[in-house]
Amino acid sequence: RKEVEQDPGPFNVPEGATVAFNCTYSNSASQSFFWYRQDCRKEPKLLMSVYSSGNEDGRFTAQLNRASQYISLLIRDSKLSDSATYLCVVTYRNTGNQFYFGTGTSLTVIP
Amino acid sequence: ETGVTQTPRHLVMGMTNKKSLKCEQHLGHNAMYWYKQSAKKPLELMFVYSLEERVENNSVPSRFSPECPNSSHLFLHLHTLQPEDSALYLCASSLGQGYNSPLHFGNGTRLTVT
Repeated sequence: RKEVEQDPGPFNVPEGATVAFNCTYSNSASQSFFWYRQDCRKEPKLLMSVYSSGNEDGRFTAQLNRASQYISLLIRDSKLSDSATYLCVVTYRNTGNQFYFGTGTSLTVIP
Repeated sequence: ETGVTQTPRHLVMGMTNKKSLKCEQHLGHNAMYWYKQSAKKPLELMFVYSLEERVENNSVPSRFSPECPNSSHLFLHLHTLQPEDSALYLCASSLGQGYNSPLHFGNGTRLTVT
């Protein structure tokens, strides 16, 4: 069983649309949660950390549901530049310095 | 962002060559990582160093040999690689265990083995 699972997509949405991604994790000893964005042939870049009470950064909203062991990312008013792969990342209390990556969800925003 | 710097950006090597990838972080982090990303595949953790001590070796073949001389520098020595080792090699750093801080990646080295 994978530690972190994501729907690979692809998600193809028109400009201005709202799109949401979910990510589920398997270990209840979860500690930290992050969303990363990766453009084609580039390194992953931190999009936002995910806090217990949920958090927002401009058009992006991240939420955590510990009871159901999932995190979500909501993108409002999609822009063409939002096209990328979005990676869900989880760390666990009992695994030291390891970061567990999902396989990523591909988003294409269409004009 | 220049927090984590990797060189070279691109590398082409034959199967009998020996080369090294270099990573340097300027963030004051305690942990450094090597990841491999093959085409259309997820990131694979290769090695983790915490305070210059290797804490994770994820069943990586011995033709990959890491070195961490201090907390700011990390190397990946390559020898007798195979064509299937062609991939994007990413270095990353973090504050370390217990800090709830994210990974910061370098730009990566795109390796082609011929």
